[in-house]
Amino acid sequence: DVKVTQSSRYLVKRTGEKVFLECVQDMDHENMFWYRQDPGLGLRLIYFSYDVKMKEKGDIPEGYSVSREKKERFSLILESASTNQTSMYLCASRESGTNTEAFFGQGTRLTVV
Amino acid sequence: RKEVEQDPGPFNVPEGATVAFNCTYSNSASQSFFWYRQDCRKEPKLLMSVYSSGNEDGRFTAQLNRASQYISLLIRDSKLSDSATYLCVVKGGSYIPTFGRGTSLIVHP
Repeated sequence: DVKVTQSSRYLVKRTGEKVFLECVQDMDHENMFWYRQDPGLGLRLIYFSYDVKMKEKGDIPEGYSVSREKKERFSLILESASTNQTSMYLCASRESGTNTEAFFGQGTRLTVV
Repeated sequence: RKEVEQDPGPFNVPEGATVAFNCTYSNSASQSFFWYRQDCRKEPKLLMSVYSSGNEDGRFTAQLNRASQYISLLIRDSKLSDSATYLCVVKGGSYIPTFGRGTSLIVHP
């Protein structure tokens, strides 16, 4: 079974802190994604990566950065956390190809106070 | 116009009912289509892919209408355990799958 693991289920951070969200997948997938999910807004893409050290901005990259030094690990960084970044963060991975399934981690519910 | 649109619902149906959801997409070059299911406070999981000829998996039937640019999901004989949010996913030639905002289904006794 494919496993996508996010480092924390719940996280509480203070405004202005630098926050690291880690995601690891064990199926050698090329593509990895970070989404945030908010009520009424659905899943919004923050960043994605199609290979090691490659990254592309998604729809809402402001206030975030990412790192992909190894194929299995994709990190999301909140440079200076703000209260409007309180959300559910979901990491996903998939093989390259047209009809391939995306597998999600269990999500990290981040609260910024 | 949002790339992938769904009626958010909720659809509130009794056990045993048949319920159908539609999802419209704007990119006519889209190549892959999926339905995902998301339970409350859980991550989305693939329910089924949607093939051009339509496909069925038990009580679930998915169809694609390229001319009108929509996909549909039909659930027959609804169970309480079908209560969830159903996400439509469309993918074009890029790496990125695009998610709809989801349709909420509540099946009651």
